[in-house]
Amino acid sequence: QSALTQPAAVSGSPGQSITISCTGTSGDVGKYNLVSWYQQHPGKAPKLMIYEGSKRPAGVSNRFSGSKSGNTASLTISGLQTDDEADYYCCSYAGSDTSVFGGGTKLTVL
Amino acid sequence: QVQLVQSGAEVKRPGASLKVSCTASGYTLSSHYIHWVRQAPGQGLEWMGLINPSGGRTTYAQKFQGRVTVTSDTSASSFYMELRSLRSEDTAVYYCARGIVDTAMVTDHWGQGTLVTVSS
Repeated sequence: QSALTQPAAVSGSPGQSITISCTGTSGDVGKYNLVSWYQQHPGKAPKLMIYEGSKRPAGVSNRFSGSKSGNTASLTISGLQTDDEADYYCCSYAGSDTSVFGGGTKLTVL
Repeated sequence: QVQLVQSGAEVKRPGASLKVSCTASGYTLSSHYIHWVRQAPGQGLEWMGLINPSGGRTTYAQKFQGRVTVTSDTSASSFYMELRSLRSEDTAVYYCARGIVDTAMVTDHWGQGTLVTVSS
């Protein structure tokens, strides 16, 4: 159960779009359509932004979207806003009722 | 409304055991798995394990096998995560979270977190 691989940091200007990648293996990301994405502001609990690869929970802006290709999932945030500045984590089901997180990506809105 | 309320911060000595509680309200407990996740200071999220409140079946991350036990007390609407043989690397915020997609780590409500400090 190795952690999924995410870039340590990404940045963008307000109004721009950014994409965060999340690379796993054929045993987790590539095998199951069960990748979720969490946003975490400092000192706060994580918040679910995307689940099952591309579904948004009620209340999450449609500026957030998810996709997957092979063993890599991606989170795209369009129309960047200052409040989007946070840490983002991907998480994938890995079989046998287990899950694994990515290392996290710090998004800076310049 | 759905709430998960965790027990307070703790300081533990190396080698000791820890038990964090998570009291749920506002929903039917048997309908949702509970996951446990931890986050060391300045580090990422780490999935530890889950429990099915309906029957008590548990699954743990390989890393914690043999050192962690998750239990439930449905009469008290509470869940517990016990971690044994603590070491300094176990210093972290521990979270419980409610699952919404079978056993996958897809969680819509989280506890407030419990800070555990392991220090001699």
